[in-house]
Order: sequence, then C-alpha cells, then structure tokens
Amino acid sequence: SQKIEQNSEALNIQEGKTATLTCNYTNYSPAYLQWYRQDPGRGPVFLLLIRENEKEKRKERLKVTFDTTLKQSLFHITASQPADSATYLCALYNAGNNRKLIWGLGTSLAVNP
Amino acid sequence: DVKVTQSSRYLVKRTGEKVFLECVQDMDHENMFWYRQDPGLGLRLIYFSYDVKMKEKGDIPEGYSVSREKKERFSLILESASTNQTSMYLCASSPFGRESYGYTFGSGTRLTVV
Repeated sequence: SQKIEQNSEALNIQEGKTATLTCNYTNYSPAYLQWYRQDPGRGPVFLLLIRENEKEKRKERLKVTFDTTLKQSLFHITASQPADSATYLCALYNAGNNRKLIWGLGTSLAVNP
Repeated sequence: DVKVTQSSRYLVKRTGEKVFLECVQDMDHENMFWYRQDPGLGLRLIYFSYDVKMKEKGDIPEGYSVSREKKERFSLILESASTNQTSMYLCASSPFGRESYGYTFGSGTRLTVV
C-alpha cells in the first residue's frame, strides 16, 4: 500500500542544536515534496519545496534533502531556537494521484532553552 | 500580506443543522481546497476546486458539499451536521502551475457539533 510516514514521537532538542526530521514514503514516485510548519490551533504554513531531481534545498536556517533511492526526505533546522517549536508536516505530490497532495501526520518539535 | 480568510474561528452547531463554512482568498489563486484535521488522522481532503464552478471530490466527501461561484470564494456545506463532523476545518489555496509557492492555509474553523 502507499504510505507516507513521519516520526510519531516528539523530538526534543536543546537550543542551538540542529533538529532533523524524517519523512519516508513507500510506493510513490513523487514529483516533489513540501514541508510545512503548523502551530497549535492554526493552519499549516508552507516552508520549502524540493523536486525529485534536486538533492538539497536551503532557506536561511532550513535545509531539506531528498533521496529518491531511499524514498526519504530529511528536514534540518540549524541553530534551533525555542520559537522553532511546532509540528512539521511533509506532503508529497504524486502526479498519478489526481494532482492532490498526500500528507504525513507530522512530527512535533520542542526546542528547549 | 496575502491571505486566506475563514469566516469563523470557532463554531458550535446542533445535530441536523445545515452549516456553511466560508473561505475567501485574495491572491487570485485558481486552486482551492477544504480539509479537515483530526488527531491521529492528519489532514484529510474533503473537496477541491481548480476553477470557478468546478469541484472535485477528495478522500472524504460524504456528508459535505461545496460551492465556488466566484474565484476568490470557496464554501463548504455540511448538509445535516452530525457529531462525527466535529473537527478542525482548514481551507487552502494555491496558484495553478506554481507549486513552488505551496499551499496557503487559513487559520481554521474549529467546529463542534452537539
């Protein structure tokens, strides 16, 4: 069956460290993958998109990698801050899925001061 | 600042009522979406629309309908509200063919059906 999985356990890290979140998928061939941030009680906010032919994408303290062989994307936040505490969602676009995004359940990140 | 506006943040309705959730975007986006989000189930697509007067069923359309009479407005209708429709409802929009912009979400409507 087709699945997209993110770490269900919350990630707790110390301020200043690098947070790494994982998004794994099976039985898809995504054209691209997106990462979103969601704060409690709010809608998700788009952060980054990485395409199937890209290995890495950066935006300020954020870095996303995409390994189509491993069927995995990693999302890194460097020099993390308490304000980075949120849930992070990955979503993939599979052209054969009627142009819909397929969403992971998200990973909760807590950055401790 | 571009935005997607949902008409209510919190809503309490009675079982059997007809419920309208409104969503307006000011970005001239072609695509609009309605999701519901529940703990442990994530975001589930109810309906989406790629153009005015067009609509397509998502993964869980039962019990819902939509209306898109104008490009900027996408309404979700609960024909006869039931308690299992208690949820966070999220509207989103995106520009056609420019996926690098991602989806822009509204702040959500927390609907409680009693």
